[in-house]
Amino acid sequence: NAGVTQTPKFQVLKTGQSMTLQCAQDMNHNSMYWYRQDPGMGLRLIYYSASEGTTDKGEVPNGYNVSRLNKREFSLRLESAAPSQTSVYFCASRTGNKDYGYTFGSGTRLTVV
Amino acid sequence: AQTVTQSQPEMSVQEAETVTLSCTYDTSESDYYLFWYKQPPSRQMILVIRQEAYKQQNATENRFSVNFQKAAKSFSLKISDSQLGDAAMYFCAYRGNFGNEKLTFGTGTRLTIIP
Repeated sequence: NAGVTQTPKFQVLKTGQSMTLQCAQDMNHNSMYWYRQDPGMGLRLIYYSASEGTTDKGEVPNGYNVSRLNKREFSLRLESAAPSQTSVYFCASRTGNKDYGYTFGSGTRLTVV
Repeated sequence: AQTVTQSQPEMSVQEAETVTLSCTYDTSESDYYLFWYKQPPSRQMILVIRQEAYKQQNATENRFSVNFQKAAKSFSLKISDSQLGDAAMYFCAYRGNFGNEKLTFGTGTRLTIIP
């Protein structure tokens, strides 16, 4: 099915470990986003990529890096995981057409112990 | 910076009844987009309805409709004939226009449907 695919769906890390969350979309969307969701705080933007080759910081970028590998793929890397990064992470994409909303992946639940 | 406020952390409604979820936002822009997203226990974010600020007519999608009050910066969601499948977290979200990429979310309202 067309949409946004995130891997993995669940992950447990030890403090200090690194990992990369993968995201791919097959809708030919220009823009891609990484959000984190914490209880009582809604979704907050970590990084986004308005087009292939560009990335920009969002509201909560500290401790994360991103790579827009090509138009389809946008990865999120945690270099040294901390317990404060325990969260549910969502990738999303959007066309450049202003009339459309965002399509979200199914999320990755990350626990840092 | 834009902010979105959902003042009702939890709401409940009897099956088949109508419920309204509140959302207010703060912005200095004149053209923008507002959204309601549903997040069931599956965690998937599902777009329920969207409203473009320059359109005065309130958006409707089947049993879902909005009451958009631009001057008051209010964007409430009305769910008619509530069904058990409507039980979920509901998030209000804002996006500006003219190159503004950021989708800003409220903190959500958990809706419970009482059989």
